[in-house]
Amino acid sequence: DAGITQSPRHKVTETGTPVTLRCHQTENHRYMYWYRQDPGHGLRLIHYSYGVKDTDKGEVSDGYSVSRSKTEDFLLTLESATSSQTSVYFCAIKGGGARETQYFGPGTRLLVL
Amino acid sequence: EDQVTQSPEALRLQEGESSSLNCSYTVSGLRGLFWYRQDPGKGPEFLFTLYSAGEEKEKERLKATLTKKESFLHITAPKPEDSATYLCAVQEVQGAQKLVFGQGTRLTINP
Repeated sequence: DAGITQSPRHKVTETGTPVTLRCHQTENHRYMYWYRQDPGHGLRLIHYSYGVKDTDKGEVSDGYSVSRSKTEDFLLTLESATSSQTSVYFCAIKGGGARETQYFGPGTRLLVL
Repeated sequence: EDQVTQSPEALRLQEGESSSLNCSYTVSGLRGLFWYRQDPGKGPEFLFTLYSAGEEKEKERLKATLTKKESFLHITAPKPEDSATYLCAVQEVQGAQKLVFGQGTRLTINP
């Protein structure tokens, strides 16, 4: 493993409730990413961070927000969960060099009823 | 817009039967092409990065190659433990070092 943990690993919630997923790294990498993975769509980027308090949107950012107050933690929040946000969420980390590799966490399986 | 297409979607082989997976890509400027392996219920596991056409990399029974429009993942004499979904992703020169993924090829090796 690349020193990445995600919590929770599984979550069931109801439509309209807020949900926060946490990604924690021990590698002190600059870049952190949130992806979702759905059948037929592959991995799609939600948001990413290039430093503390520096974040930007990916291709499927609607309905999601992120925060990074410390280098090691990157939080993904669903302000009001919808059934379309049922998915598996992966966090990834990468060093600052342009040729460095993204390494992925174990994933969080989220079910929105 | 960057695009990555993997084929076939699924491939079933007998143990020892060699084959290749394809990854076709469209990108304005390629910084790198990445191959990952993903087992059910787990996160993608990094295999290779290729940076320029003509480059090749090997690891055990896997060899990845790159041209200007596509990459191949060659699997030689596969074993059942090679069964997994193989993902291809590209990173373009411009932008913030993001990856664009294909949908993957689900490989099954029968004993």
